[in-house]
Amino acid sequence: NAGVTQTPKFRILKIGQSMTLQCTQDMNHNYMYWYRQDPGMGLKLIYYSVGAGITDKGEVPNGYNVSRSTTEDFPLRLELAAPSQTSVYFCASSRRENQPQHFGDGTRLSIL
Amino acid sequence: QKEVEQDPGPLSVPEGAIVSLNCTYSNSAFQYFMWYRQYSRKGPELLMYTYSSGNKEDGRFTAQVDKSSKYISLFIRDSQPSDSATYLCAMIEGDSSYKLIFGSGTRLLVRP
Repeated sequence: NAGVTQTPKFRILKIGQSMTLQCTQDMNHNYMYWYRQDPGMGLKLIYYSVGAGITDKGEVPNGYNVSRSTTEDFPLRLELAAPSQTSVYFCASSRRENQPQHFGDGTRLSIL
Repeated sequence: QKEVEQDPGPLSVPEGAIVSLNCTYSNSAFQYFMWYRQYSRKGPELLMYTYSSGNKEDGRFTAQVDKSSKYISLFIRDSQPSDSATYLCAMIEGDSSYKLIFGSGTRLLVRP
């Protein structure tokens, strides 16, 4: 009963490096989301997808890219890491709009 | 002004106490209301999901929504040390909306 799985759990990057945060879900949900969570700031939506091949920007998309080639996977790419991208990143999924979202356990990312 | 306001706490109570957690919001278009529990270094876990005004009970948890006052509450009866976590309220506007707006979370500590 995996739900939403995120890898890696922790990562340290140097400024300017690139990396991909992986997210996969086994609930056959159409909608998938990427959030970042900063202390005292709640969760902010980075990108979302309503199905394979369809993605759109959320509230804070700058510095990130996504793709959705399958229903199960929704990777998040950081191209040129900056200290402001130090955060905890959560992936989530839902069956459709207005339904509760189910979250993974996050990726803690530090950029030094 | 934030769309959703939540007291960050921490709220410290003795075991067995009744806990009241609250959120206020400014957007009268919110229709769907959720409470999530988040343990340290874990993702948010859905506790309660309600539509429009009224009460919903699930075991020791009761969610209340008062749309006229733009105020939602989560009550925890017979609180346990295992309830110690951060509680996040979240809201969605309408039937076709995917956008989940979160409060910043209240940290709860239940003392044995």
